[in-house]
Amino acid sequence: GNSVTQMEGPVTLSEEAFLTINCTYTATGYPSLFWYVQYPGEGLQLLLKATKADDKGSNKGFEATYRKETTSFHLEKGSVQVSDSAVYFCALIGYSTLTFGKGTMLLVSP
Amino acid sequence: DTEVTQTPKHLVMGMTNKKSLKCEQHMGHRAMYWYKQKAKKPPELMFVYSYEKLSINESVPSRFSPECPNSSLLNLHLHALQPEDSALYLCASSHSGVGGDQPQHFGDGTRLSIL
Repeated sequence: GNSVTQMEGPVTLSEEAFLTINCTYTATGYPSLFWYVQYPGEGLQLLLKATKADDKGSNKGFEATYRKETTSFHLEKGSVQVSDSAVYFCALIGYSTLTFGKGTMLLVSP
Repeated sequence: DTEVTQTPKHLVMGMTNKKSLKCEQHMGHRAMYWYKQKAKKPPELMFVYSYEKLSINESVPSRFSPECPNSSLLNLHLHALQPEDSALYLCASSHSGVGGDQPQHFGDGTRLSIL
């Protein structure tokens, strides 16, 4: 079956630091891949997506590239802000069913 | 602002109560979903409606009863819940029906507490 593995958190960074959250997946075929973000007390927001190999999704300074050869979809941001503190979920979709990673909490301090 | 609206935002109920959660979207999406999320965990799929018909039920106990009155509305009827059912209940929608690979758009959820 499908599965998604994310790095364990929390990830603690200072403002303006570089962010990487690793995500690898196992799936049949070539599923679409997503990063969702969940701010405290809120639902999940779609952060970015990629639908095929070598696609780069980007939004709000975050980006991730669909790497078929390494089955990875790592999330990166060049300079994080305090407002980026949230839980980040990597996910793939198969037959309308989202498979989520366990989530990675990001804490950014001033 | 989220385009999927859920009400109420918070709900406290006893184990003998009957209540309903509501979800509404006006994006013309044809699939709608209910998820349950426990603290520090990813969402778990409960039900999927595609073109107003129940397509997926992930072996959810019968004390949870979904309903899709029309393409914009999704309800979750609750009866005789247990304390372990306390969680954040998320509604989501996507453009395509079951089998598609479009992203799902989530509401802010209803935080449910069972006394």
